[in-house]
Amino acid sequence: AQRVTQPEKLLSVFKGAPVELKCNYSYSGSPELFWYVQYSRQRLQLLLRHISRESIKGFTADLNKGETSFHLKKPFAQEEDSAMYYCALLKSGAGKSTFGDGTTLTVKP
Amino acid sequence: NAGVTQTPKFQVLKTGQSMTLQCAQDMNHNSMYWYRQDPGMGLRLIYYSASEGTTDKGEVPNGYNVSRLNKREFSLRLESAAPSQTSVYFCASSESQGSGNQPQHFGDGTRLSIL
Repeated sequence: AQRVTQPEKLLSVFKGAPVELKCNYSYSGSPELFWYVQYSRQRLQLLLRHISRESIKGFTADLNKGETSFHLKKPFAQEEDSAMYYCALLKSGAGKSTFGDGTTLTVKP
Repeated sequence: NAGVTQTPKFQVLKTGQSMTLQCAQDMNHNSMYWYRQDPGMGLRLIYYSASEGTTDKGEVPNGYNVSRLNKREFSLRLESAAPSQTSVYFCASSESQGSGNQPQHFGDGTRLSIL
């Protein structure tokens, strides 16, 4: 069965510091992975997906199949990055995603 | 283009009452989903509908029923509400499987309290 683990429920960093939100997955097939973000009082929205290999709002995430990880990184955190972040795995062809438990990131001034 | 619209935004029920949460999307998506979000437990899939006319159980379907009324609408019903169903409920939609693995688009959520 597929599973997504986000080991940190809470993460706090200072503004300007690097931040890394961890995501590990277990899946026997070829995964497609996403990061979603939920800002305070807003709906959950897509941040980035691994196949796009893009940087959104300064965030990047690289799929490491050897370590089965998809960690989200940003070199210099900003206060507006404070939010709940979810890592999600989409099973190929199935349509539905498995979400991790989420990490609440707080960026302190 | 409103995306995914959920109603109501807030609701308080007494144990044993029934209610239906409504969800509609205007993106012509085939697939729709209902999740619940609880502190420390992330998003858990209740039911999903891969296409109009089909529904399937997710991770936590007990106590819920769904109806895919048409391509736009996917409702979630609590027949006899229980305090354990106090949660924030999110509806989502996505493109069909045939067009590749597409991300989900979420509604604003419904905050439901069962007393």
